[in-house]
Amino acid sequence: SQKIEQNSEALNIQEGKTATLTCNYTNYSPAYLQWYRQDPGRGPVFLLLIRENEKEKRKERLKVTFDTTLKQSLFHITASQPADSATYLCALRSGTYKYIFGTGTRLKVLA
Amino acid sequence: KAGVTQTPRYLIKTRGQQVTLSCSPISGHRSVSWYQQTPGQGLQFLFEYFSETQRNKGNFPGRFSGRQFSNSRSEMNVSTLELGDSALYLCASSLGNLVGSSYEQYFGPGTRLTVT
Repeated sequence: SQKIEQNSEALNIQEGKTATLTCNYTNYSPAYLQWYRQDPGRGPVFLLLIRENEKEKRKERLKVTFDTTLKQSLFHITASQPADSATYLCALRSGTYKYIFGTGTRLKVLA
Repeated sequence: KAGVTQTPRYLIKTRGQQVTLSCSPISGHRSVSWYQQTPGQGLQFLFEYFSETQRNKGNFPGRFSGRQFSNSRSEMNVSTLELGDSALYLCASSLGNLVGSSYEQYFGPGTRLTVT
């Protein structure tokens, strides 16, 4: 069956370090992969989209990679700040008009 | 541009009752998707509507239904509520009009449903 896994439920890192979150998928051949941020009690907020023919995408302190051979995406936050603390979700388009989300990684940046 | 709005924000219902949740998408967005979010299962896709038509459906029982109006506003209904239906229900709007494309989804704040 189709599955998306985000490698850790929670990740604590020190302020200023780079946070790296992993999204692995099986039984998909997605054309796109998205990353969202969710704060407690709020809906997810779109961060980045990467296409299958793109190896890397950047936006300010965020970087996403997409390896279709490994079936994996990595999400990096450089120079992390306590305000980056949130849950981060990856999502794939499954077929047409349907998105499958990972269960998320809860990131905590320690001051 | 106003964001996605959902009403009500909080709801408490009793087992066996039914509930209707409402979602108003961003102006110009014709696609509305609904998701159920629980701590154990994460975000689970319920269904997606575009121009008043359901285009895709997740693996939920028939007690979960939805519709979309001509102004793109959408409602979802859950009948015969069960304790396990307690969750945060999120709707997301997007442009959704290009086959084969991927869209940013803009989520509303959600409706927190508690079934007792």
